[in-house]
Amino acid sequence: GENVEQHPSTLSVQEGDSAVIKCTYSDSASNYFPWYKQELGKRPQLIIDIRSNVGEKKDQRIAVTLNKTAKHFSLHITETQPEDSAVYFCAASGFGAGSYQLTFGKGTKLSVIP
Amino acid sequence: DSGVTQTPKHLITATGQRVTLRCSPRSGDLSVYWYQQSLDQGLQFLIQYYNGEERAKGNILERFSAQQFPDLHSELNLSSLELGDSALYFCASNKQGSGNTIYFGEGSWLTVV
Repeated sequence: GENVEQHPSTLSVQEGDSAVIKCTYSDSASNYFPWYKQELGKRPQLIIDIRSNVGEKKDQRIAVTLNKTAKHFSLHITETQPEDSAVYFCAASGFGAGSYQLTFGKGTKLSVIP
Repeated sequence: DSGVTQTPKHLITATGQRVTLRCSPRSGDLSVYWYQQSLDQGLQFLIQYYNGEERAKGNILERFSAQQFPDLHSELNLSSLELGDSALYFCASNKQGSGNTIYFGEGSWLTVV
């Protein structure tokens, strides 16, 4: 089945700086890569996603890049703000246990210091 | 609001007991997923149902079982509970069950004492 590695596990940045979170996946057939943001005690919420036919996607201050050859994808947050502080999860949609399903990385706890 | 409804929001029970968590997917969604999130842990996939049928099974213990009913709501049954089962249990849903965004409910906090 799919295996997703996510780094770093924790990240602290000054307000206004950029943050980058990286993920690698194992299944070359995976074709969908969403990113979720989870605030403490809340549900994970989709913030951006990318499909394997696209190399980069942007939405205001956040962007995601995908390198299919290397099987890695990254989340970039620019001009970070305190409200960006949360745990971020990457995921890859690969085939395992009889179906396509999302496999999540272990998460990155981002702290934005005012 | 994601449109996925989970009940109960909080549950405290004793070891050895059995509980049932309930999930109503978004309107029109046929696929339901269950995830377990322990303290400071990631999202562990438990099981997926699609239109009433089990579609995929992840790291689900034999003490746990689930089903999806004709009205598409789903229940996760946890039995012979242990302290280590204390976690946040999320239900998620989507339309087609593959290669698409899943939408999470607010979760059910289970505390086993």
